[in-house]
Amino acid sequence: GQNIDQPTEMTATEGAIVQINCTYQTSGFNGLFWYQQHAGEAPTFLSYNVLDGLEEKGRFSSFLSRSKGYSYLLLKELQMKDSASYLCAVSLNQAGTALIFGKGTTLSVSS
Amino acid sequence: DGGITQSPKYLFRKEGQNVTLSCEQNLNHDAMYWYRQDPGQGLRLIYYSQIVNDFQKGDIAEGYSVSREKKESFPLTVTSAQKNPTAFYLCASSISRFNQPQHFGDGTRLSIL
Repeated sequence: GQNIDQPTEMTATEGAIVQINCTYQTSGFNGLFWYQQHAGEAPTFLSYNVLDGLEEKGRFSSFLSRSKGYSYLLLKELQMKDSASYLCAVSLNQAGTALIFGKGTTLSVSS
Repeated sequence: DGGITQSPKYLFRKEGQNVTLSCEQNLNHDAMYWYRQDPGQGLRLIYYSQIVNDFQKGDIAEGYSVSREKKESFPLTVTSAQKNPTAFYLCASSISRFNQPQHFGDGTRLSIL
């Protein structure tokens, strides 16, 4: 079976740095995606990792270790608008195959 | 502007009734997907289609049906056989190549009357 684990909830304060972890055990792996979803809205694409290492995009960075089945999303200089759910999703080996999503991590940013 | 349009935004279903959720995209994407999201749950795959006139069941296809007669359209029917249909339904599309991000519509919230 496929299993993707993320913490259910996290809290942080404005201006801080937060790291959201994701571990996965899947039958095949081709890449890992991170999405942001505000309450009642559609998920929006943040980043993806195919190879081991860190991908940086402004305030957001994502890291992947394929040998450990582990990824994290790093959010710097937190803002109130970063309060949302963050979804980790794995792409399997077939092109066009739907992603396997974790249950998401709800991040609350306070002032 | 290119994007994915889901309609309606809110939908109510009566007992024994089939309802159809619309999903249209003008991104020229080959692949389209339907997900269901329940509170505290991740997105669960209902059906997906990689090409016109072809689709595959996802993890929770029972009680649902789809069609893919046009590249732009991938409607989802929630049948009376789906006993717990109340959820947030999300449609997505992507280029049908490795590691292409999926783009999502704004969702349809379905409730039981």
